[in-house]
Amino acid sequence: DIVMTQTPSSQAVSAGEKVTMSCKSSQSLLYSENKKNYLAWYQQKPGQSPKLLISWASTRESGVPDRFIGSGSGTDFTLTISSVQAEDLAVYYCEQYYDTPLTFGSGTKLEIK
Amino acid sequence: QVQLTESGPGLVHPSETLSLTCTVSGFSLTGYSVYWVRQPSGKGLEWMGRMRYNGDTSYNSALKSRLSISRDTSKNQVFLKMNSLQTDDTGTYYCTRLGAYWGQGVMVTVSS
Repeated sequence: DIVMTQTPSSQAVSAGEKVTMSCKSSQSLLYSENKKNYLAWYQQKPGQSPKLLISWASTRESGVPDRFIGSGSGTDFTLTISSVQAEDLAVYYCEQYYDTPLTFGSGTKLEIK
Repeated sequence: QVQLTESGPGLVHPSETLSLTCTVSGFSLTGYSVYWVRQPSGKGLEWMGRMRYNGDTSYNSALKSRLSISRDTSKNQVFLKMNSLQTDDTGTYYCTRLGAYWGQGVMVTVSS
């Protein structure tokens, strides 16, 4: 199984600050035939279902604010929030869909100071 | 629009079988795969298994011996059955097309 490791487990920032969180996979998520990374980022707010923010490592979903930026390739990925807002309080998960079983990272909990 | 709705008992006794139904609308089960994902209370997301659009299934190896996923395309429903439930199976169970479409989740408590 592909292991997804997310760091940090939690982070507290003030509104307006930039935040980055990391996701590393135990094997490459880059499919050579189409040059796509099979990596998604989800946001889960308290009491809600996960919401897809980014797919293919860097493609923002329609309606997702452009302060959410996904980057990386192969085994190392990053989610950046360029200017954190109070409503970004949530747990953020990365997920690989390169191979079954699909696997999720353990999450990064974002807290607002 | 695409919707997925989970249903099932909120309480299951230890050693019993959990049966959940995912009713979908806005898309065909013969065109899209549906997945089950669970979340133990206060913890992260765990992929349980998949019903592919062509009827094939795949399972999380850690759950495979206890888990079965099936479907009824005429009713637009996907079913999950998991036996020998224990207290650490307590949590929220989601059906999802992954990506943008998730159900609201159903909370399952395993307790005597």
